[in-house]
Amino acid sequence: KAGVTQTPRYLIKTRGQQVTLSCSPISGHRSVSWYQQTPGQGLQFLFEYFSETQRNKGNFPGRFSGRQFSNSRSEMNVSTLELGDSALYLCASSPLAGVKSYNEQFFGPGTRLTVL
Amino acid sequence: AQKVTQAQTEISVVEKEDVTLDCVYETRDTTYYLFWYKQPPSGELVFLIRRNSFDEQNEISGRYSWNFQKSTSSFNFTITASQVVDSAVYFCAPDTGFQKLVFGTGTRLLVSP
Repeated sequence: KAGVTQTPRYLIKTRGQQVTLSCSPISGHRSVSWYQQTPGQGLQFLFEYFSETQRNKGNFPGRFSGRQFSNSRSEMNVSTLELGDSALYLCASSPLAGVKSYNEQFFGPGTRLTVL
Repeated sequence: AQKVTQAQTEISVVEKEDVTLDCVYETRDTTYYLFWYKQPPSGELVFLIRRNSFDEQNEISGRYSWNFQKSTSSFNFTITASQVVDSAVYFCAPDTGFQKLVFGTGTRLLVSP
């Protein structure tokens, strides 16, 4: 089975622009989560989608949004980019996802975003 | 509030040494799962093990072993006979519901030949 794929792998943007990142989960996985990793804040949860519905959201401003399509692929969008948004954005997928299903999540290679 | 603590920032060992990584998870929940992930220099997080909060029995899988001590909320992860390829940052992360992992700050493991 192919793993989680994320595109693009690297991205350079300037302040004020917006960006869209894409994630394709492992085939058959319906839950997709997004995380941000920075040297200062570490790994932080952004949001989780299951069956096209956002079920959980981390403590990020409204500039960060996402969506999930019927084929479980997901996108996240960051509008009005700030320098502090420079980070590695990781996507993870999981096969089953109840409130507390405790399934392991499989991570993609990430998209490294640099905001100048 | 839930809190994940990985007190060890960096550990350096020589190949073939055993190494234990510590993780403390403070929470009011009585049932939860905690995961260990490894992040090599390539950046991709790799799932290692999953452990629940209601089983204190030690478990072993290959060179990895782990145990949970309920009294101290400690999930410790041990690598036996470390190898250079084990060099990475190791994160513990409880699942707090709806696939939300709360990551610790990580422990960087350096294994030298």
